[in-house]
Amino acid sequence: QTVVTQEPPFSVSPGGTVTLTCGLSSGSVSATNHPSWYQQTPGQPPRTLIYSTNIRSSGVPDRFSGYILGNKSALTITGAQAEDESDYYCVLYVGSGIWMFGGGTKLTVL
Amino acid sequence: ELQLVESGGGLVQPGGSLRLSCAASGFTFSSYWMTWVRQAPGKGLEWVANIKQDGSSKYYVDSVKGRFTISRDNAKNSLYLQMNNLRAEDTALYYCARWELVMGTYYYLDVWGRGTTVTVSS
Repeated sequence: QTVVTQEPPFSVSPGGTVTLTCGLSSGSVSATNHPSWYQQTPGQPPRTLIYSTNIRSSGVPDRFSGYILGNKSALTITGAQAEDESDYYCVLYVGSGIWMFGGGTKLTVL
Repeated sequence: ELQLVESGGGLVQPGGSLRLSCAASGFTFSSYWMTWVRQAPGKGLEWVANIKQDGSSKYYVDSVKGRFTISRDNAKNSLYLQMNNLRAEDTALYYCARWELVMGTYYYLDVWGRGTTVTVSS
């Protein structure tokens, strides 16, 4: 049973840099998994941050960047701000028409 | 304006049925794969089902196979999720979303509704 893995709750200082990752229990993440990242604050639907591994969605600040880090998809926030305190989710295509979200990472900025 | 509006949620007893709807506007609905994603209270996002533009291909997460059916009516710009034999663990906020295709190759979810709540309880 494939699982998409993300970090447990994470904390970053204002102005700091944090990298969140998204892995596959069955192997490496690549562009063929269509990795994308979403930000969700309480009571709101998800907001698209990054798609196709490294393309920022419209209106997303350039402090957010995506890339492949080793065998995982990664999301880096450079210069974290208070408003970045959110839950972050990745979703991957795992084959045979099936998609899976990671469990999400709750990011605290303090 | 691109918009997806879900409806049809509510309280249902275990074993009961419910049909969710999602009304699309502001784009050519028939040109997109569509999806249902759910979020149980206090939990993460879970992909539930996908449907191809013409409805000819459908995919489901294992936990809902045989109980849920995704469908669409392109003439009405609407997406549906028929949920039968509901269980307590199906309790969640159900979002409908659109799959965008970029560079002819890569998919991502670019438009989301605000969700409709399904509660399965006796």
